[in-house]
Amino acid sequence: AAGVIQSPRHLIKEKRETATLKCYPIPRHDTVYWYQQGPGQDPQFLISFYEKMQSDKGSIPDRFSAQQFSDYHSELNMSSLELGDSALYFCASSLDGSGAPYTEAFFGQGTRLTVV
Amino acid sequence: QKEVEQDPGPLSVPEGAIVSLNCTYSNSAFQYFMWYRQYSRKGPELLMYTYSSGNKEDGRFTAQVDKSSKYISLFIRDSQPSDSATYLCAMSSPTGGKLIFGQGTELSVKP
Repeated sequence: AAGVIQSPRHLIKEKRETATLKCYPIPRHDTVYWYQQGPGQDPQFLISFYEKMQSDKGSIPDRFSAQQFSDYHSELNMSSLELGDSALYFCASSLDGSGAPYTEAFFGQGTRLTVV
Repeated sequence: QKEVEQDPGPLSVPEGAIVSLNCTYSNSAFQYFMWYRQYSRKGPELLMYTYSSGNKEDGRFTAQVDKSSKYISLFIRDSQPSDSATYLCAMSSPTGGKLIFGQGTELSVKP
């Protein structure tokens, strides 16, 4: 079965550079979530999109932006990178438009970003 | 104070032991309670989810929710070395689908 695809898997950037992370949700899933997981930390919610519109926003720095495109893939753009941005970035997708009170979120393998 | 608290461990047990993992939460509006398993450098994988207070069993795994105490548990029976991973509890936000995670408990099952 198709899963959530994230690219790249690993990324090394220098301070003050820009990074773009991509997420391809499971086919027919309408919602995408982005999480940041620092070393030894729990995943922290950044932002989510439902049907290409931002649906919720968490602790996402102003230096970061994201969007969901017409094909439902999503990109997280990170500018003026700082050392503290080094983390594992996960994308998850779900089918929230099904009307069910709970729908499972499936996680991708993550992008490991290292800022040097 | 975090909305979801989880003992980070690490926890080391012998093969065959019963493992108990626990989380407490502060927001009584949380409706769905999940347990995820995360292997090193991999994405979290859903193990179980529950809605109401009580027990839910799936093979060797039992999830328990006590809403009155704001306390959830995951029990693993007959633990196996392949169960070695980090276990994260998570709650579904009452205002949307985002998940609020506990800190995760690192479990090691020794053969």
